[in-house]
Amino acid sequence: AQKITQTQPGMFVQEKEAVTLDCTYDTSDPSYGLFWYKQPSSGEMIFLIYQGSYDQQNATEGRYSLNFQKARKSANLVISASQLGDSAMYFCAMREATPDMDSSYKLIFGSGTRLLVRP
Amino acid sequence: DGGITQSPKYLFRKEGQNVTLSCEQNLNHDAMYWYRQDPGQGLRLIYYSQIVNDFQKGDIAEGYSVSREKKESFPLTVTSAQKNPTAFYLCASSIENFSGNTIYFGEGSWLTVV
Repeated sequence: AQKITQTQPGMFVQEKEAVTLDCTYDTSDPSYGLFWYKQPSSGEMIFLIYQGSYDQQNATEGRYSLNFQKARKSANLVISASQLGDSAMYFCAMREATPDMDSSYKLIFGSGTRLLVRP
Repeated sequence: DGGITQSPKYLFRKEGQNVTLSCEQNLNHDAMYWYRQDPGQGLRLIYYSQIVNDFQKGDIAEGYSVSREKKESFPLTVTSAQKNPTAFYLCASSIENFSGNTIYFGEGSWLTVV
């Protein structure tokens, strides 16, 4: 069963405007972590922001913020004041505990959203 | 500088041949991972290893093999049993209980079957 769902294959945003990239997740583990990564055309994975399941406040990192709604199991990424360099693939990911090793974790990814910023 | 090194960056393979992708890290991380990414798709977990001499299958392990003889090295072999190996392969490493920016990715390897 798919654990991370990104329903927007592609999005456009006008330069300097804000954009929200959707992410929903499914887990029965009370302790988990949510990540957002940016992948430009070069292929490298760039860490953007992290939210722990027990964090009381929404995470923020510069122009990036995470709209964490735990009851709805959503972790949407908000990019404010979009720049041309923001054009890339964006992936939501979740760290979950493996069922057979108590202190081991693996990171699973959604299918991604391609963001294009228009000048 | 500390980081993860993947090689080669680009690799071409003839059908029926095995190829091995290298992944080395000098971060002293216990956990290492291999992901496959198809064009326009997300990353799918092939194998992961939490400690030396131990590794676990991920979601798409068929046609792949790994070894973890040293902490810093986690090579991935794409065998001839993998019917559609053309893809982008990413290696990663992390501390055991990672959060935030504590999982590191290599720059990836592009594998093409010709």
